[in-house]
Amino acid sequence: QITLKESGPTLVKPTQTLTLTCTFSGFSLSTSGVGVGWIRQPPGKALEWLALIYWDDDKRYSPSLKSRLTITKDTSKNQVVLTMTNMDPVDTATYYCAHRRRDWGYFDYWGQGTLVTVSS
Amino acid sequence: SYELTQLPSVSVSPGQTARITCSGDVLGENYADWYQQKPGQAPELVIYEDSERYPGIPERFSGSTSGNTTTLTISRVLTEDEADYYCLSGDEDNTVFGGGTKLTVL
Repeated sequence: QITLKESGPTLVKPTQTLTLTCTFSGFSLSTSGVGVGWIRQPPGKALEWLALIYWDDDKRYSPSLKSRLTITKDTSKNQVVLTMTNMDPVDTATYYCAHRRRDWGYFDYWGQGTLVTVSS
Repeated sequence: SYELTQLPSVSVSPGQTARITCSGDVLGENYADWYQQKPGQAPELVIYEDSERYPGIPERFSGSTSGNTTTLTISRVLTEDEADYYCLSGDEDNTVFGGGTKLTVL
């Protein structure tokens, strides 16, 4: 049974760096083909893909946010960490992590999401 | 970067057929997936690779793609199908969601 759960601060100040952790179970990021992605959703708005990391440490980023994002994995802890620098109020959103396989291309398991508010 | 266009809303009566479309150049070269999202919940995969129904999804849900447009069709709509629906496509360097369509079951 695959589960994912996001954790991190609920409130960050403008210009600060956001660090979010995705803790998962039911799969391993050392298994060939496995990946974890991050997606966000501002209140009342659409989903937006942010980043992906695969078992082989291949990393992909949204072109529009690439300069601000870093995604890493800790296989021993079953965790994926996303950092986003220079936070702005427009970055206020629910942030989701999700399981994906490279050969399938879709996100089949999602975490519950965590709401991050950017405000001074 | 890629863009996917969806109508903001679609309304149908229970028992009717709902068709939700998603358009974009990226669809000519990549598969599309569809996600259902109910209020306060995470998205759930409904259709993948244009037309494959994810396990556990009712047969009432189907998908098809023609050219640069992909369509999610929901037959015999139930009130429980009321939700936001998002398409997803692109390659690994540019994965993009559509703007979402709110399906209202009147």
